[in-house]
Amino acid sequence: QVQLQESGPGLVKPSETLSLTCTVSGGSISSYYYNWIRQPPGKGLEWIGNIYNSGSTNYNPSLKSRVTISVDTSKNQFSLKLSSVTAADTAMYYCARDLGGGIPRTFDIWGQGTMVTVSS
Amino acid sequence: DIQMTQSPSSLSASVGDRVTITCRASQSISRHLNWYQQKPGKAPKLLIYAASSLQSGVPSRFSGSGSGTDFIFTISSLQPEDFATYYCQQSYSTPTFGGGTKVEIK
Repeated sequence: QVQLQESGPGLVKPSETLSLTCTVSGGSISSYYYNWIRQPPGKGLEWIGNIYNSGSTNYNPSLKSRVTISVDTSKNQFSLKLSSVTAADTAMYYCARDLGGGIPRTFDIWGQGTMVTVSS
Repeated sequence: DIQMTQSPSSLSASVGDRVTITCRASQSISRHLNWYQQKPGKAPKLLIYAASSLQSGVPSRFSGSGSGTDFIFTISSLQPEDFATYYCQQSYSTPTFGGGTKVEIK
């Protein structure tokens, strides 16, 4: 079955760029939207953005100026870059796949999450 | 952004109880409403999509209803493994989540 796994640094300095990668295993990355979602410690969930295998992206307007999501279909991976980070960006970051079947923005398969702390 | 308001924010219940959680959208979202379960240290799990469709493999004690702005999530008979936090999420536009409802053991 399809599995997602996040990877990347667990500690990022303020004002720098957070970079994470999600590897899709057990199936092709094609034909689905893939998402980044985050959750600050003890708080709720925030959708960051998504990407299709064609490279088409959608971003949360509240983060759009700082977010870039890209895809590498040859590696079955997609990536997140979040620039100019502050302590408010400290969170568990999840990657997740859409349910598909014409049902948009519904998150069916999730990675286990990776904790990113912004601190000097 | 469409704001999602869940209530209650927490509740205490016993095994076998019927549990109901409500979710209200700040504008009409038709039936574009999903429900997730999250256990401590784990990723959320999709339970219900499109307001009332049960995700594959999810027990039938979970159900959802509603349309427009008001939605209800129900656990018909609470089981020990159901103690968790539940989130609603609208998929009508830029996705947003409710604040969560923590279901605790009474």
